[in-house]
Amino acid sequence: GDSVTQMEGPVTLSEEAFLTINCTYTATGYPSLFWYVQYPGEGLQLLLKATKADDKGSNKGFEATYRKETTSFHLEKGSVQVSDSAVYFCALRQAGTALIFGKGTTLSVSS
Amino acid sequence: DSGVTQTPKHLITATGQRVTLRCSPRSGDLSVYWYQQSLDQGLQFLIQYYNGEERAKGNILERFSAQQFPDLHSELNLSSLELGDSALYFCASSVGLAGGRETQYFGPGTRLLVL
Repeated sequence: GDSVTQMEGPVTLSEEAFLTINCTYTATGYPSLFWYVQYPGEGLQLLLKATKADDKGSNKGFEATYRKETTSFHLEKGSVQVSDSAVYFCALRQAGTALIFGKGTTLSVSS
Repeated sequence: DSGVTQTPKHLITATGQRVTLRCSPRSGDLSVYWYQQSLDQGLQFLIQYYNGEERAKGNILERFSAQQFPDLHSELNLSSLELGDSALYFCASSVGLAGGRETQYFGPGTRLLVL
């Protein structure tokens, strides 16, 4: 079945460092891809999404490009802030189905 | 604020008991999804309702059931609770069945602790 694999965390960075969180997927067809973020004690918020190959999703300085050839959707940010500390989930969704999530990657940013 | 509300925020109960979790979707959303987040299993899809009808089932135990009411709010019923049911339960909503592209908006979750 479909699945999502994320790099294991935690990822620890200093403020203003470059961030990459790897995400690869296995799926038939053409799923939509999502990144959700969960801040401490809160629910999941949609960070960005891409619905077809070569689409780039972006929000709040974060970017991810839907790469069908490498089945990847890596999350990047050029300069992280302490306020970006959270758990990041990569997810996919086929038409008419629920989201399938990766296990999540914890990001900790220190000043 | 996603517009999805869940009550209660926290729930502590004993093994063998039954609890009901409530979710109100965003205004205008017809689809409701329930997810369970636990340390060992991660985030798993439980069940989906669309406009009052069950649409899809995931890894939902037979001890668990759900329904969506005419006003579109949904309830997740967990019975004969076990220690392993302790988890964070999320509700999400989306507009409808527009395919994989539409965004699901998540509520803040209900944290269940079974003692």
